[in-house]
Amino acid sequence: DAKTTQPNSMESNEEEPVHLPCNHSTISGTDYIHWYRQLPSQGPEYVIHGLTSNVNNRMASLAIAEDRKSSTLILHRATLRDAAVYYCILKRVKGAQKLVFGQGTRLTINP
Amino acid sequence: EPEVTQTPSHQVTQMGQEVILRCVPISNHLYFYWYRQILGQKVEFLVSFYNNEISEKSEIFDDQFSVERPDGSNFTLKIRSTKLEDSAMYFCASRGLAGGQETQYFGPGTRLLVL
Repeated sequence: DAKTTQPNSMESNEEEPVHLPCNHSTISGTDYIHWYRQLPSQGPEYVIHGLTSNVNNRMASLAIAEDRKSSTLILHRATLRDAAVYYCILKRVKGAQKLVFGQGTRLTINP
Repeated sequence: EPEVTQTPSHQVTQMGQEVILRCVPISNHLYFYWYRQILGQKVEFLVSFYNNEISEKSEIFDDQFSVERPDGSNFTLKIRSTKLEDSAMYFCASRGLAGGQETQYFGPGTRLLVL
């Protein structure tokens, strides 16, 4: 499984945008970039995914570098409820598609 | 919105006892998973299950572990003889479509404490 690298922790203020980076320099052409988050005392939760183009959904935006070796999860207006551990995960298209979690980025939101 | 449910939310057991953790996946999903998370550590994949058989398992998933889909709705994880190091949160997940790509939906977890 290709590896991802994320900062251990980040901090932001409420109602400000947050940019969470992820490096995945060994990504292969068939790897999708998935982001999950884990709120305190809860199971992981799907946030967004992409392959090559930038993606938007109701939770976040995903900006993918042209060479696909890095990506950035963007929370446009962070709320206290966005405090969580955010995981960047590469997932192959085929197969049973287990998720391989790293340590993720612990995001703290200041009121 | 449909969700994955798990029971019990907490389980305390004595070392050497058998435990069964139960999950009800989202109804039209076909792939099911168990993960665990030891306190303060990463979420780790245990096993995936499709078409009534294991499709992949990790090194953690040894002979003490088994999975079953007994009745078409429940998906269970059995630990035959629990050890202290089995204490963890156990998450069930099922896989379905989101934005054209299949993604996994996780349950709230069962916290297992082995004494």
